[in-house]
Amino acid sequence: EIVLTQSPATLSLSPGERATLSCRASQSVSSYLAWYQQKPGQAPRLLIYDASNRATGIPARFSGSGSGTDFTLTISSLEPEDFAVYYCQQRSNWPIFTFGPGTKVDIK
Amino acid sequence: EVQLVQSGAEVKKPGESLKISCKGSGYSFTSYWIGWVRQMPGKGLEWMGIIYPGDSDTRYSPSFQGQVTISADKSISTAYLQWSSLKASDTAMYYCARKNDYGDSPGYWGQGTLVTVSS
Repeated sequence: EIVLTQSPATLSLSPGERATLSCRASQSVSSYLAWYQQKPGQAPRLLIYDASNRATGIPARFSGSGSGTDFTLTISSLEPEDFAVYYCQQRSNWPIFTFGPGTKVDIK
Repeated sequence: EVQLVQSGAEVKKPGESLKISCKGSGYSFTSYWIGWVRQMPGKGLEWMGIIYPGDSDTRYSPSFQGQVTISADKSISTAYLQWSSLKASDTAMYYCARKNDYGDSPGYWGQGTLVTVSS
């Protein structure tokens, strides 16, 4: 089973700052990694698929990078609506997808 | 417009059975897999399993194998998640999700169905 770990668990930042979130896989997932944003009371929203591709309608301030076991989601300049929980998910072990435990980005 | 509309919240007692639904519209229902995701209160996302509505091929994550049943009725473009005997630990929000238009990650999500199991 592929295990995903995310760091940090919580990231406290101010609007306008840069956010860097990490996701590490227990074995290589190639580029089959996605990132999701979830706000309270809402369903998850796909941000990035296959490591670095922005989903339709996602602002350019969101970017993804990495391959193999180490991945990064970067939010270049935080907007007020970006404070949320972010999850990574692998699809390498298809169709058994797994999620990471999440990183909460909150307002400093 | 692609939409996944889930059935409403449920309150059940331990030992009862339950079947919740996810109706797809705005696309060819048999052409895209649908998955189910559990989110326990205050916790993260857990992938439960997946179904291909075209042929009802179903796969489960090991943690959920034998605990739930995923099915679909393509004649009414609806996928289901069911339990034969609920436990208090099944209390959670359940989401259905469909493959994105690009890549193979879940890109379309239902609004969620809250299942509460309490005596």
